[in-house]
Amino acid sequence: DSGVTQTPKHLITATGQRVTLRCSPRSGDLSVYWYQQSLDQGLQFLIQYYNGEERAKGNILERFSAQQFPDLHSELNLSSLELGDSALYFCASSVDGLGGETQYFGPGTRLLVL
Amino acid sequence: QQQVKQSPQSLIVQKGGIPIINCAYENTAFDYFPWYQQFPGKGPALLIAIRPDVSEKKEGRFTISFNKSAKQFSLHIMDSQPGDSATYFCAASYNNNDMRFGAGTRLTVKP
Repeated sequence: DSGVTQTPKHLITATGQRVTLRCSPRSGDLSVYWYQQSLDQGLQFLIQYYNGEERAKGNILERFSAQQFPDLHSELNLSSLELGDSALYFCASSVDGLGGETQYFGPGTRLLVL
Repeated sequence: QQQVKQSPQSLIVQKGGIPIINCAYENTAFDYFPWYQQFPGKGPALLIAIRPDVSEKKEGRFTISFNKSAKQFSLHIMDSQPGDSATYFCAASYNNNDMRFGAGTRLTVKP
């Protein structure tokens, strides 16, 4: 168990809908990362937050947004969902998001868009 | 988009064999090269990582070899066991931001 929790574990929704994925980092970790894992694209970095502020952006679509709250939990919002958004979404956390740190991954949320 | 190329896509070895997974990167600014292990239904977990100032790092049965001039690094698993059967990802990052992952290698260790 990495200490990172993600909810829900599974999510089934329809195209055009909006969903929110939640992540709680390990105790003491200030940085949160979101990744998307799909069969054709592999593991893709989406976005990183550090202590409530956006620190780095990867391949995150404009339909997706994220935030990190004062209690350090983070939410990833996915809107106008398309079939191609079906994937595993992982959250990871690290102590302060600097070079050479271990990122601890949560168990993921499996999203299925029908 | 992909800046880390990983091979092979899948690998089958007998118990006790030494599977080798290779990765090549493009961006010379990368300064942190971790390997992650992922079991079905679980998130990736850090296995071992290396910085470009060393050519080899060993932790237990896992060894990373790093060739800075060739921009390549590889994972060797000594005395592989059926419990090592998993998907392995190499990755590279600069300053821990925007970590780029390889496509993954599905390893099967047969008893």
